[in-house]
Amino acid sequence: DTEVTQTPKHLVMGMTNKKSLKCEQHMGHRAMYWYKQKAKKPPELMFVYSYEKLSINESVPSRFSPECPNSSLLNLHLHALQPEDSALYLCASSQDQGQQYFGPGTRLTVT
Amino acid sequence: GENVEQHPSTLSVQEGDSAVIKCTYSDSASNYFPWYKQELGKRPQLIIDIRSNVGEKKDQRIAVTLNKTAKHFSLHITETQPEDSAVYFCAANRGWGKFQFGAGTQVVVTP
Repeated sequence: DTEVTQTPKHLVMGMTNKKSLKCEQHMGHRAMYWYKQKAKKPPELMFVYSYEKLSINESVPSRFSPECPNSSLLNLHLHALQPEDSALYLCASSQDQGQQYFGPGTRLTVT
Repeated sequence: GENVEQHPSTLSVQEGDSAVIKCTYSDSASNYFPWYKQELGKRPQLIIDIRSNVGEKKDQRIAVTLNKTAKHFSLHITETQPEDSAVYFCAANRGWGKFQFGAGTQVVVTP
């Protein structure tokens, strides 16, 4: 299985809502990533988990809270988001310093 | 930190012609350089990658070259086809998770 899955595919939420994005991989990869991608822009790294521990936080606002319950799962908890947080949120995984496998993304709209 | 510059931002080619996209990076510690193709509304897909101990790599119509001294790498697509139309991103990796993407190149192949 060389696939990273993400749920939901689409999410619309108000600025006072709390929601979570989920990501799963069964390739045995030990690094998992969250990226944010705005239209016509490259993916921007948000967080990196290595061996289930947060290793990189690219100065992301605290309204985004990552969680890695186990080596196959990665969550992104969302609270009190702003309209400018609307974007495609991509999860990725990799075994080492090489190839990343991206999930299909969650398209988030904050109203 | 790493800075990756990518040129051109748009590239229009006739079907059958070649396309070349160039990237430069700033951090000499970068050791892995992937290229991604992203079609509208879809996830980035790895099309080819190269490590810092290799100068050139080819996969059918796609090739990547790396010049470590000059800190630049290029993507070459030969015999372009309409299905090659997409946004292409280069990236550089300095180590665990520290991927930096270029701004992207919109490639349009006209029949």
